[in-house]
Amino acid sequence: GAVVSQHPSWVICKSGTSVKIECRSLDFQATTMFWYRQFPKQSLMLMATSNEGSKATYEQGVEKDKFLINHASLTLSTLTVTSAHPEDSSFYICSARDWSGVGYNEQFFGPGTRLTVL
Amino acid sequence: AQTVTQSQPEMSVQEAETVTLSCTYDTSESNYYLFWYKQPPSRQMILVIRQEAYKQQNATENRFSVNFQKAAKSFSLKISDSQLGDTAMYFCAFMKPPLPGNQFYFGTGTSLTVIP
Repeated sequence: GAVVSQHPSWVICKSGTSVKIECRSLDFQATTMFWYRQFPKQSLMLMATSNEGSKATYEQGVEKDKFLINHASLTLSTLTVTSAHPEDSSFYICSARDWSGVGYNEQFFGPGTRLTVL
Repeated sequence: AQTVTQSQPEMSVQEAETVTLSCTYDTSESNYYLFWYKQPPSRQMILVIRQEAYKQQNATENRFSVNFQKAAKSFSLKISDSQLGDTAMYFCAFMKPPLPGNQFYFGTGTSLTVIP
């Protein structure tokens, strides 16, 4: 199957700083990318959906100004956690879909990024 | 709104035995997709099996098969000949027809442990 990468895989930062997480589709063009957050032993919670070249659509309760999402190209989306606080510590997962308009289009997940805010 | 319910937070099975994970969902859609995803300790999400609602035949993938009961809105996963590598979190998921922005709705997960 297609490959989605995330960088970094693990990041530790100080409270108040900003952290950028990259999500790349390596062998296909991702017209739509999704960002999820997962707390330990819990399910994936969708944070936002982004389409290439347009503004992201955020889920209810997700702060747009805190979690900045940019999907500037068909292979790259970034999530920036601004002014991070310890409660932002979590596992962040992206997924990507290539929309061909015909039939079902598989959605591929990245390996995740563990964020720890001190 | 779509909801997905997994009523078994934890399960265990002896190696080589068979185990069934339960999932129910609620939707008013007539056409949709159902999935089982595996998340091992590495936390990489891995697609186990996919079922299209308009197909009556239950999907199978090697040792994995589903029992899809559309009227009952039930979608259980059967793992045969369980292996140690099957130890993982298993998430049931629902998706409306695959329009570009349509999202997964995940259940709360079942933690499966295969005992040697």
